[in-house]
Amino acid sequence: QQQVKQSPQSLIVQKGGISIINCAYENTAFDYFPWYQQFPGKGPALLIAIRPDVSEKKEGRFTISFNKSAKQFSLHIMDSQPGDSATYFCAASRTSNYQLIWGAGTKLIIKP
Amino acid sequence: GAGVSQSPSNKVTEKGKDVELRCDPISGHTALYWYRQSLGQGLEFLIYFQGNSAPDKSGLPSDRFSAERTGGSVSTLTIQRTQQEDSAVYLCASSPRGGDNQPQHFGDGTRLSIL
Repeated sequence: QQQVKQSPQSLIVQKGGISIINCAYENTAFDYFPWYQQFPGKGPALLIAIRPDVSEKKEGRFTISFNKSAKQFSLHIMDSQPGDSATYFCAASRTSNYQLIWGAGTKLIIKP
Repeated sequence: GAGVSQSPSNKVTEKGKDVELRCDPISGHTALYWYRQSLGQGLEFLIYFQGNSAPDKSGLPSDRFSAERTGGSVSTLTIQRTQQEDSAVYLCASSPRGGDNQPQHFGDGTRLSIL
């Protein structure tokens, strides 16, 4: 019930392509879904987040799509650039709870 | 502005030794988290501090692990009698308060290697 399942484990995309990372959750009480980006040797940093009252949120080239009925959400990176190469983590939590439940991460490589 | 600071950035020690890892959260942040990240893996929650409340220690893997937070600011994570399986990156994060969708701000971690 507490798990967040993330796929794929790794992803290689050509420069200019669309990168798509998917996450699924089980706990319907979750109401906050952030994505974090981590570069090698650095800590994760919040990239973008969504609440279930909207189906999509876009910030620049990054978009979260949210499907409440399917209990799934995904990160889309448009016009992927080599600088986007990093590990991406999805997570979920309840507003009333401090603890984030993390996905296992996706290592994204953008080929020039 | 200053972010979350962790020290040391790297620590190599022999099996059986004790180690102390330090975290300086962002000033004014009342919530502090410790995580462990093994090579190529996700984040494993260890412990959570919120203000003066009793910490949530539910993620500590064994009684060799302990943490404290003095004066609601700096935190130290102590691992006693280290084992090779303790080798990992230990990450600290802080947020203005726990819950309420507050983003967690991470330090760059301490890379711990047990020989």
